Amino acid sequence: GDSVTQMEGPVTLSEEAFLTINCTYTATGYPSLFWYVQYPGEGLQLLLKATKADDKGSNKGFEATYRKETTSFHLEKGSVQVSDSAVYFCALSDNTGNQFYFGTGTSLTVIP
Amino acid sequence: NAGVTQTPKFQVLKTGQSMTLQCAQDMNHNSMYWYRQDPGMGLRLIYYSASEGTTDKGEVPNGYNVSRLNKREFSLRLESAAPSQTSVYFCASSVNRNQPQHFGDGTRLSIL
Repeated sequence: GDSVTQMEGPVTLSEEAFLTINCTYTATGYPSLFWYVQYPGEGLQLLLKATKADDKGSNKGFEATYRKETTSFHLEKGSVQVSDSAVYFCALSDNTGNQFYFGTGTSLTVIP
Repeated sequence: NAGVTQTPKFQVLKTGQSMTLQCAQDMNHNSMYWYRQDPGMGLRLIYYSASEGTTDKGEVPNGYNVSRLNKREFSLRLESAAPSQTSVYFCASSVNRNQPQHFGDGTRLSIL
């Protein structure tokens, strides 16, 4: 079946460092891909999405490109801030309209 | 701009007690979901309602029941609480099953 695999955390970075959080997926057909962010004590919020191959989703300085050839949707940010400390979830929706899958989440801590 | 509202935010129960978690959304979404989030386990789907009048089991339905009261409201009931049900519970909604989900802020439930 369809699934999403994220890199294990936790990840700790210094402020202004470059961030990459890896996400790969397994799916039949052409799924849509998403990144969610969860700040401490809150629910998940949609960060960005991409609905077809080679699409780039972007928001708040974060980017992710839908790579069908490598079945990946890695999250990147050029310069992280302390306020980016959160848990990040990769997610997939299949092309049947029936299922939505979340990865296990990657915790990011940014230190000043 | 309420979105998804969950009540209560915190609750402590004794083993064997019953409780209903409430969820309401004001976005006219068709689909609603209940998840639990445990350390190291990511999000696990308990039950979902693809549309008003329907409910289906997710990954971890045992010990829970749900009611889709109307299009806005989707409640989760624990009939006889057990310590293994100590968790953070999230309600979410989406336009349809394969669309991005919008989350509430969670209910932190402890069972002693």
